[in-house]
Amino acid sequence: QVQLVESGGGVVQPGGSLRLSCAASGFSMSVYGMHWVRQAPGKGLDWVAFIRSDGNYNSYADSVKGRFTVSRDNSRNTLFLQMTSLSGEDTAVYYCASEYGSKEFDYWGQGTQVTVSS
Amino acid sequence: QAGLTQPPSVSRDLRQTATLTCTGNSNNVGYQGAVWLQQHQGHPPKLLSYRNNNRPSGISERFSAFRSGNTASLTITGLQSEDEADYYCSAWDSSLRGWVFGGGTRLTVL
Repeated sequence: QVQLVESGGGVVQPGGSLRLSCAASGFSMSVYGMHWVRQAPGKGLDWVAFIRSDGNYNSYADSVKGRFTVSRDNSRNTLFLQMTSLSGEDTAVYYCASEYGSKEFDYWGQGTQVTVSS
Repeated sequence: QAGLTQPPSVSRDLRQTATLTCTGNSNNVGYQGAVWLQQHQGHPPKLLSYRNNNRPSGISERFSAFRSGNTASLTITGLQSEDEADYYCSAWDSSLRGWVFGGGTRLTVL
């Protein structure tokens, strides 16, 4: 059974950092591209970042470029999102989602809450 | 990140048909089409349709996607109460080199 489980969320002060993880099970993440997508309270979906299956290409939303870094460890079937210089606008539930071929946003995790507040 | 345009809300009667729209431009929807996602309150999104209007396995045939130019649409036939949810479109934007989402449409089944 395919499962994605995010972790690492929490409350962080403005300007702080946080590292999110997304553990995959039931499939080999090494052949899947992976996305991070976030959703602020009461708002819509907001794409954050993408990393290709081999880890050699990534892409970021303008709003996080230079502050967030996506990475992966295929040997551990795990995706990461390193977030720095956090502000209140980054407060959201962060989801990881997989992509296989043209099937974008195929599997989703349950999400992890990130709250930026003093 | 410039987004796609979706109507905020649509209401239809039970057993009727709803068509949701998603308007972009030639760099995104018009480039490679859109994907459609359904999200029930308090749950993660679920993929309904992906590029070239394909349905993942397990998705009802009541959901069908189309594209005409820079506008993608999702048609839901025989509306059921469980179809009441938020629906999002998304597309790869070749100009931004990233993905963009629509603001979402809340579908109410009366």
